[in-house]
Amino acid sequence: AQTVTQSQPEMSVQEAETVTLSCTYDTSENNYYLFWYKQPPSRQMILVIRQEAYKQQNATENRFSVNFQKAAKSFSLKISDSQLGDTAMYFCAFMDYGQNFVFGPGTRLSVLP
Amino acid sequence: DTGVSQDPRHKITKRGQNVTFRCDPISEHNRLYWYRQTLGQGPEFLTYFQNEAQLEKSRLLSDRFSAERPKGSFSTLEIQRTEQGDSAMYLCASSPGLAGAAGELFFGEGSRLTVL
Repeated sequence: AQTVTQSQPEMSVQEAETVTLSCTYDTSENNYYLFWYKQPPSRQMILVIRQEAYKQQNATENRFSVNFQKAAKSFSLKISDSQLGDTAMYFCAFMDYGQNFVFGPGTRLSVLP
Repeated sequence: DTGVSQDPRHKITKRGQNVTFRCDPISEHNRLYWYRQTLGQGPEFLTYFQNEAQLEKSRLLSDRFSAERPKGSFSTLEIQRTEQGDSAMYLCASSPGLAGAAGELFFGEGSRLTVL
């Protein structure tokens, strides 16, 4: 069974600064997808960024980018130019080709003015 | 289509009562998932449907829990004889379910259950 670990329960960052959230996972699969989801306070979870395991190039979405290290089974999220609206719980998630999702425990990010 | 909707948003019940939650997915999505989320934790998988077929159930889903998706549209999650440990946010998500593709999950706002 796949597992996803996020070792940072809480983090904070000053507005406009850069922050990196860590995620490691365990799987015996070779092909899979990885995601970062964001859950703002009292709002629904939304997708931030996805990475396909067969792609070596790291995914980027505007201020959000990932550092995907397949051999190390590591998938960190970098948020550049942090904004107050980035304050949320961030969940790392794994999906196999059967579309079975496993989520990590989350990291609570606070962006400070 | 305004996205995934869940009802009720909040349910307070006494231990031993039955509760039912409803989820209306995005209309063209054939996959529907139920997750449970406790405070400060990530979503835990409960079950999912491909159209009307329930394809997988977590071992977390005791026999007090039952889920249906008649006609492959909306879904209901029923909890019988509720216990205080059932208190959680119940999340529904839908996905286009494209095999081999990165099927993004679209979440509803959740149904919060409080068992007194």
